[in-house]
Amino acid sequence: AQSVTQLDSQVPVFEEAPVELRCNYSSSVSVYLFWYVQYPNQGLQLLLKYLSGSTLVKGINGFEAEFNKSQTSFHLRKPSVHISDTAEYFCAVSDSGAGGTSYGKLTFGQGTILTVHP
Amino acid sequence: DAGITQSPRHKVTETGTPVTLRCHQTENHRYMYWYRQDPGHGLRLIHYSYGVKDTDKGEVSDGYSVSRSKTEDFLLTLESATSSQTSVYFCATGTSTDTQYFGPGTRLTVL
Repeated sequence: AQSVTQLDSQVPVFEEAPVELRCNYSSSVSVYLFWYVQYPNQGLQLLLKYLSGSTLVKGINGFEAEFNKSQTSFHLRKPSVHISDTAEYFCAVSDSGAGGTSYGKLTFGQGTILTVHP
Repeated sequence: DAGITQSPRHKVTETGTPVTLRCHQTENHRYMYWYRQDPGHGLRLIHYSYGVKDTDKGEVSDGYSVSRSKTEDFLLTLESATSSQTSVYFCATGTSTDTQYFGPGTRLTVL
């Protein structure tokens, strides 16, 4: 079984400041890692994903995340946020199917609400 | 965006009534999923499908059933709705196990 913990339920930040949204996971098998964004009253949109290879992953809208296997973390960062980045962000994990079939089932964290103030 | 529509988008129903939510996709994706979203819980998997007539339970399947008779449609049924099933329901699809595309959601209120 896997689990995901997003360490901050809310993160307020001023426009043009950097931001980091923290995500830790636990799993006994190799994993795929994801960050999704949800704007008010909308579905989820994929920001970025880590499947294998380089541990620094770049996504849409200037976001990036770093996979740290030893610390079982996948923190999301942006060097300079905009008002339009105000949204809820979800970290998610699925097992990579190594040694079996995962079917891509996602386990989500509780979500982090990012609020960007002018 | 994988051409996913969900219907209805909003529904209010009474305790004890059956409810069916529909997810329709136009991209011929093999995998389909139903999640529910509740504050403080993120999204939790209810059921999933890996092919026509191939379905299995997720983390929170009690009180729910699903059917997939065609590639494009995945139905979620609440056999007898309860207030604890008030939630926002999201359908997702994927061509492989490493990416999922989400629909716009259905807001269900059980009175």
